[in-house]
Amino acid sequence: DGGITQSPKYLFRKEGQNVTLSCEQNLNHDAMYWYRQDPGQGLRLIYYSQIVNDFQKGDIAEGYSVSREKKESFPLTVTSAQKNPTAFYLCASRIVAYTGELFFGEGSRLTVL
Amino acid sequence: AQSVAQPEDQVNVAEGNPLTVKCTYSVSGNPYLFWYVQYPNRGLQFLLKYITGDNLVKGSYGFEAEFNKSQTSFHLKKPSALVSDSALYFCAVRAPSGNTPLVFGKGTRLSVIA
Repeated sequence: DGGITQSPKYLFRKEGQNVTLSCEQNLNHDAMYWYRQDPGQGLRLIYYSQIVNDFQKGDIAEGYSVSREKKESFPLTVTSAQKNPTAFYLCASRIVAYTGELFFGEGSRLTVL
Repeated sequence: AQSVAQPEDQVNVAEGNPLTVKCTYSVSGNPYLFWYVQYPNRGLQFLLKYITGDNLVKGSYGFEAEFNKSQTSFHLKKPSALVSDSALYFCAVRAPSGNTPLVFGKGTRLSVIA
């Protein structure tokens, strides 16, 4: 079945450590996105990519980094520069057409100890 | 810049009664509008979208939404609520030009009481 796979589902990190969240899709979608969800704040865009080897910052990119070496993969690294990284992270993808809706993965919950 | 407002953090409705979850938007030009639902610790699921055409859009699980251009609104509705509809609902908007990312509202928690 086609879909978006995020791993790990739950992740614990000590302060000062970098962590990488995986996002893989087999939908043959061109565009991929990372959102952060905090209670009462909705979804905020971290980074997005519309083609391989290219990506753009979203509204809250500071303290995060991404790569897009393959169409299927868009990993997110939460660096030690991110001051408040505890959150639920959602990866999404869509075809690059104006009417295309987003398809979401099941999310990764990061907790900083 | 586009934005979405969901004025109610929480909506409570009795099972079997009609439900409405409100959404207003701001965008230059004709909007592309979306509704998503999220269950606890899960990703978002697409419910319906408005791109053009009929102002009343029908979607999954018996939900529908009405686009009102003069009021810049896109309220989500269902004629008869189920307990299983209890979840977090997000409205989202995208401008029609370019491939700008979706902008989401802060979400409305729907609680359907048996």
